[in-house]
Amino acid sequence: KAGVTQTPRYLIKTRGQQVTLSCSPISGHRSVSWYQQTPGQGLQFLFEYFSETQRNKGNFPGRFSGRQFSNSRSEMNVSTLELGDSALYLCASSREGLAPPFFGPGTRLTVL
Amino acid sequence: GIQVEQSPPDLILQEGANSTLRCNFSDSVNNLQWFHQNPWGQLINLFYIPSGTKQNGRLSATTVATERYSLLYISSSQTTDSGVYFCAATNAGGTSYGKLTFGQGTILTVHP
Repeated sequence: KAGVTQTPRYLIKTRGQQVTLSCSPISGHRSVSWYQQTPGQGLQFLFEYFSETQRNKGNFPGRFSGRQFSNSRSEMNVSTLELGDSALYLCASSREGLAPPFFGPGTRLTVL
Repeated sequence: GIQVEQSPPDLILQEGANSTLRCNFSDSVNNLQWFHQNPWGQLINLFYIPSGTKQNGRLSATTVATERYSLLYISSSQTTDSGVYFCAATNAGGTSYGKLTFGQGTILTVHP
């Protein structure tokens, strides 16, 4: 069974631009969560989607948004990029209910 | 929300040595996971262990939920064990494990 895939793997943007990251979950997994990892703040939860609905949300500004499609694939968008948005963005998927999530390889975003 | 603390922050070993990593959590959990982050950033699932003891080769983990801590044991360490180890948990009472709270990690370096 293929793992969680994320695209692109690397991205360089400039301040003020927007970016869209994509995550394809493991087949059969309907929950997708997003995390941001920075050296200063560590790993922080962004949001979780299940059946195209946002189920949980972390403490991030409204510039960070996401969505989930009917095939469970998810995208997250960051608008008006700031230097501090440079981070590794990790996506995780899990089966319905109380099941442990599995992580993708991440997208490394650099904002110049 | 729940708080997760890991110790020690850094650990340096000679190949062949044993080690114990600790994770304390502030509230009841229904999910406790240990991850190893590889050099490319991907989080690799080591254990899903909300309670009890599990073993997988040279690695084992124990969670004492009533005392709110978990331990990861690495025996006969190898240079390939180097990397960052994370503990993550989800508050009890939730309907999913999609909102993980991570500790700050333990950076393990194994010298040949």
